[in-house]
Amino acid sequence: DAGVIQSPRHEVTEMGQEVTLRCKPISGHNSLFWYRQTMMRGLELLIYFNNNVPIDDSGMPEDRFSAKMPNASFSTLKIQPSEPRDSAVYFCASSFETGGTDTQYFGPGTRLTVL
Amino acid sequence: GQQLNQSPQSMFIQEGEDVSMNCTSSSIFNTWLWYKQDPGEGPVLLIALYKAGELTSNGRLTAQFGITRKDSFLNISASIPSDVGIYFCAGQGGTYKYIFGTGTRLKVLA
Repeated sequence: DAGVIQSPRHEVTEMGQEVTLRCKPISGHNSLFWYRQTMMRGLELLIYFNNNVPIDDSGMPEDRFSAKMPNASFSTLKIQPSEPRDSAVYFCASSFETGGTDTQYFGPGTRLTVL
Repeated sequence: GQQLNQSPQSMFIQEGEDVSMNCTSSSIFNTWLWYKQDPGEGPVLLIALYKAGELTSNGRLTAQFGITRKDSFLNISASIPSDVGIYFCAGQGGTYKYIFGTGTRLKVLA
C-alpha cells in the first residue's frame, strides 16, 4: 500500500514568493497533520484536520501560513509570502483516529529553503 | 512547542553492541510511539505501545511503556550499521495530539 505522499520533495524559493506544499494521506485515514521540523525546535505540529475539517490550527505560526483539505485524499500547506525563517522540513502525517489509540504515519517530507 | 525529554541526545557505539534510550514526560500518556528517521526521510514508525507496563518487540527492537505512564524505553540489540539514524519517541495523552521527543542520534561504528 502507498504511504503518505508529499510533493515536492525539495523546494527552493526566494523571499516573498508563494510556496505550496502538497500531501496525499493514506487511503482510509481520517486525520491529517502538518508538521515542521527544524534543528532548533524539533517537530512542531502546525495544523490538524479530522474528516477534512481543521480542528486545531494553533501551531500555525502566522497568517502567512494557511492549510486546506478540500477532500479526504488531498491537503495543501501554503506560505505567502515566504521568509528565510520558514526554511525547514515540512511533514504531512495521517492516521485513522479511533478515539485515543491511533498511530500517525509520516510522509517523506518537503525540504523548503527560502533564500 | 512542548517536547519530551529524550536521552541520550546522541550515541556512538560499536557494531554488535546493545543500545538503550529513554523518554520522559511530566504528563501521563496513554500511547507511546517510537520512530526512526533516516537522513532526508520522514519518521518511520517502529513500535507502538498502548498499555502501562507493556513490553513489545519488533525484531531486534524492544520498547516498554513505563508503569508510571510518564516514560518509555527503547532497546536495540546487536546493533548493525543500518541502525544509524535519529530515534524519536512520541506520547499521546488521549487526544489527537502527539508530543515528540528531542531525538536520539545514533551512530554505529563498524
